[in-house]
Amino acid sequence: AQSVAQPEDQVNVAEGNPLTVKCTYSVSGNPYLFWYVQYPNRGLQFLLKYITGDNLVKGSYGFEAEFNKSQTSFHLKKPSALVSDSALYFCAVTLSGGSYIPTFGRGTSLIVHP
Amino acid sequence: EAGVTQFPSHSVIEKGQTVTLRCDPISGHDNLYWYRRVMGKEIKFLLHFVKESKQDESGMPNNRFLAERTGGTYSTLKVQPAELEDSGVYFCASSQDQGRRTGELFFGEGSRLTVL
Repeated sequence: AQSVAQPEDQVNVAEGNPLTVKCTYSVSGNPYLFWYVQYPNRGLQFLLKYITGDNLVKGSYGFEAEFNKSQTSFHLKKPSALVSDSALYFCAVTLSGGSYIPTFGRGTSLIVHP
Repeated sequence: EAGVTQFPSHSVIEKGQTVTLRCDPISGHDNLYWYRRVMGKEIKFLLHFVKESKQDESGMPNNRFLAERTGGTYSTLKVQPAELEDSGVYFCASSQDQGRRTGELFFGEGSRLTVL
């Protein structure tokens, strides 16, 4: 079975500071990894994905994430946070060669303070 | 291009009543998924349609839940009779075939169900 853990319910950061939202995964094989963002009263929106290749992937709105196979992690990062980045962030995993149905984490609320 | 639309956005019903949620996927997307998020917890998979066929319904909680996708277009998710633990946000998502292979989904805004 595949699973995702997002250890932080909430992350607080000041505007202009770097941010990190943590994600670890468990899957029996090669993972496909995703980050989605949910703004208030909106649906989940795809942010970025790791399929294969370079461990550092870049996505929308200046976000990036680093795939670390040895630590089974896929942390989301941004060098300089904006107040508008405040939202709920979900990490997800699927198994390469499997059903390709994403398994999601419980979400992390990112709050960027002015 | 219109996105995934869901109706209603919020439904409040009493225990024992019936509710039907509707999802209209992006036109041309054969794959349709239902997920549910209970307050503060994971977004849990319910089922997956490919066109009108149920490909995987392993996440459906019990036989009080019935999903249909007539003609491979829109889908409905009926809860009958509703119980308190059914409260949550029900998300619908769709994808093209490539999206199915990579897991990249397009989500609707969700239908919030409150059972009193």
